[in-house]
Amino acid sequence: NAGVTQTPKFQVLKTGQSMTLQCAQDMNHEYMSWYRQDPGMGLRLIHYSVGAGITDQGEVPNGYNVSRSTTEDFPLRLLSAAPSQTSVYFCASRKGPNYGYTFGSGTRLTVV
Amino acid sequence: RKEVEQDPGPFNVPEGATVAFNCTYSNSASQSFFWYRQDCRKEPKLLMSVYSSGNEDGRFTAQLNRASQYISLLIRDSKLSDSATYLCVVNMREYGNKLVFGAGTILRVKS
Repeated sequence: NAGVTQTPKFQVLKTGQSMTLQCAQDMNHEYMSWYRQDPGMGLRLIHYSVGAGITDQGEVPNGYNVSRSTTEDFPLRLLSAAPSQTSVYFCASRKGPNYGYTFGSGTRLTVV
Repeated sequence: RKEVEQDPGPFNVPEGATVAFNCTYSNSASQSFFWYRQDCRKEPKLLMSVYSSGNEDGRFTAQLNRASQYISLLIRDSKLSDSATYLCVVNMREYGNKLVFGAGTILRVKS
């Protein structure tokens, strides 16, 4: 079992560029989420999904899009990168509301 | 008021000490609770779920007090390897079952 796989692990973008952070899980989990973590801020929810075809906004959704066409994949798109989006991004999945999340190893993104 | 609040610490304790962390949550309808551990520059990892009756896993004990809306984590016989940030996590059922994380409590165990 690979668990939750995130790619890439590191990325440097120029302001205004767009990119997609990939996330895939092989545990057949219905729930998936994207968080960002900044120093001293803790984990903040960007977008989440409770099943294929269903997504919703979290605490800090601006500048990001998601889609959930399959149970396995939950990509996060940065539309036009800004330095404020420099952060560590974690994707996570879980079986349902009474279960904890399993996290991917994170993507460290720097926007210059 | 933040949805989930934790004392940021750091808690500096000697090896073998017992240490306790508390966490308060704002929404009384919250249903599921968890403690996570996060090492520096690593992803958070689930330490344990928190059940209404309290639960224990080796040196770790979690308690839930619904009336006062707080959960706690007790670590007995602290090891150097327990040094990490401990995150309190609450499932907000009435908000689409989103998981909300506290900012974390830093624990440093010293020899």
